[in-house]
Amino acid sequence: NAGVTQTPKFQVLKTGQSMTLQCAQDMNHEYMSWYRQDPGMGLRLIHYSVGAGITDQGEVPNGYNVSRSTTEDFPLRLLSAAPSQTSVYFCASSYRLGVFSPLHFGNGTRLTVT
Amino acid sequence: GENVEQHPSTLSVQEGDSAVIKCTYSDSASNYFPWYKQELGKRPQLIIDIRSNVGEKKDQRIAVTLNKTAKHFSLHITETQPEDSAVYFCAASGTGEDNYGQNFVFGPGTRLSVLP
Repeated sequence: NAGVTQTPKFQVLKTGQSMTLQCAQDMNHEYMSWYRQDPGMGLRLIHYSVGAGITDQGEVPNGYNVSRSTTEDFPLRLLSAAPSQTSVYFCASSYRLGVFSPLHFGNGTRLTVT
Repeated sequence: GENVEQHPSTLSVQEGDSAVIKCTYSDSASNYFPWYKQELGKRPQLIIDIRSNVGEKKDQRIAVTLNKTAKHFSLHITETQPEDSAVYFCAASGTGEDNYGQNFVFGPGTRLSVLP
């Protein structure tokens, strides 16, 4: 199993550009999520999905969209990039919430918005 | 919603000494508490977890204790080694009121430095 795969690893955007961060898992996990990690702020939840066709907002959803058309894929879209979105983004999946199943993280995407 | 606090934010210990990191949570419905280790430039990786029906769990040099009444849990690392240097995150999750469970809420992290 590859686990959780994120692409790209690095990205530089100009303010106002849009892009999609890709995330795929091959563990048949129901739950998938996106976090951003900023210095001193820990991991903050952006959006999450408890199954195909179901998505919801986390703590910091503004400026981001998600969709979950398949169990395996959970892309994160930046609609109009802003310097405040400079961060490291992690995709994470779990078998299911509420059943003592831990999160498995991808390797992260380091995004810089200039 | 759930709030997780973590202390200390930085911790330096001599190689061979023990390290203790403490977390508190606010939601009594939380019942699952994983700990993650994140090395510089890498992803967070699970090192140990504990369920609310267990008071202590050990895995070699790592142990976690849970006090449900006080709503706090701690990570204990014994005989620390330089490769233990990393940022450690605690987290809380739970069954929740609906069918989907509670999202994971993370503490802000502790930067552990093990000095040779």
